[in-house]
Amino acid sequence: AQSVTQLDSQVPVFEEAPVELRCNYSSSVSVYLFWYVQYPNQGLQLLLKYLSGSTLVKGINGFEAEFNKSQTSFHLRKPSVHISDTAEYFCALASGGSNYKLTFGKGTLLTVNP
Amino acid sequence: DTAVSQTPKYLVTQMGNDKSIKCEQNLGHDTMYWYKQDSKKFLKIMFSYNNKELIINETVPNRFSPKSPDKAHLNLHINSLELGDSAVYFCASSQVPYNEQFFGPGTRLTVL
Repeated sequence: AQSVTQLDSQVPVFEEAPVELRCNYSSSVSVYLFWYVQYPNQGLQLLLKYLSGSTLVKGINGFEAEFNKSQTSFHLRKPSVHISDTAEYFCALASGGSNYKLTFGKGTLLTVNP
Repeated sequence: DTAVSQTPKYLVTQMGNDKSIKCEQNLGHDTMYWYKQDSKKFLKIMFSYNNKELIINETVPNRFSPKSPDKAHLNLHINSLELGDSAVYFCASSQVPYNEQFFGPGTRLTVL
């Protein structure tokens, strides 16, 4: 069985501070990893994805994530956040052993304060 | 042009009623999905169709029945609605099952 754990349910930060949202996963087969963002009352939008290749993945809006196979992690980072980054962030996993369905973490609410 | 669209955006209904939510994608994708997001924002897959064939059917009450008339459409019909069905339902699509999924704006279902 596969699972995704987002270690922080809420992360408050001040504007222009760096942020890291943590994600750990569990899967016995090769994985594909994603970070999605959900702004209030909207659908989900892809921030970035890791399918293969370079373990450092750059996404939209200045976000990046690093795939670490030995630590089974895929943490999301941004060096300087804006008020507009306030949203719910979801880490998700797809693996071949599960017919490629996406398993989502429980989400991390990032709140950027002025 | 909206990539993945859902109708209606809001649905308020009484317990015991039957309702449908429609989803359409204009991305030419082969795979479509239904997800349920509960009040705590937890997202769980319900169904997935690939080329009109059901490939994922999670543990969902059989009051929920998906229908895919063609590759671009995946509708969700719910019979005998219960209070616990209140949630936001998202449709999504992807070109291949393991790659990026594009989500619709969601349908907020409230059962009274």
